[in-house]
Amino acid sequence: AQTVTQSQPEMSVQEAETVTLSCTYDTSESDYYLFWYKQPPSRQMILVIRQEAYKQQNATENRFSVNFQKAAKSFSLKISDSQLGDAAMYFCASRGSNYKLTFGKGTLLTVNP
Amino acid sequence: GAVVSQHPSRVICKSGTSVKIECRSLDFQATTMFWYRQFPKKSLMLMATSNEGSKATYEQGVEKDKFLINHASLTLSTLTVTSAHPEDSSFYICSARGTDYSYEQYFGPGTRLTVT
Repeated sequence: AQTVTQSQPEMSVQEAETVTLSCTYDTSESDYYLFWYKQPPSRQMILVIRQEAYKQQNATENRFSVNFQKAAKSFSLKISDSQLGDAAMYFCASRGSNYKLTFGKGTLLTVNP
Repeated sequence: GAVVSQHPSRVICKSGTSVKIECRSLDFQATTMFWYRQFPKKSLMLMATSNEGSKATYEQGVEKDKFLINHASLTLSTLTVTSAHPEDSSFYICSARGTDYSYEQYFGPGTRLTVT
């Protein structure tokens, strides 16, 4: 079984600043993937970034990067140069060998102009 | 590419009736489709996993006789909420995984069900 914990129900950031969203997970599998999804008010789930557990290098996608600490089972998301369009609910998720996604409870990010 | 559609986007039905939600992969073949339920300001909860041509696998606590899932083709899965009650009102989201066994699931835009 997999569990994903997001301890920050809400976060806020000033436009152009940097914010980090926290996520910890637990899994008994050795081969797994971790994801951050964004859910804007439209409710459409959008993949922000993914990390393969076997890769030591932290994933990066433009302004989004992760800090993957495998031993600590930590997977935080850093958003640099925050934009108003980044405001959304962010979900951390893990996926094991059965392809099922387990989601955290989410962090609501507000971007202040 | 990798677009998943859901129909309808919103539906209102009366208590006791059944409602069907369709999930289609528009430009790829989906080996597996997943159905999630999301309550307001809550996370997504996996309800069931459906593989083309076989019976769906339901998560613990999900009533399979109430939430009927059919995955008759590689591009279509349906969720039928039978004898709906107000407590079934929720946002239902499907996702699909392609036949290339990639890591990614592609999500549909969701269906808001309101049972009156």
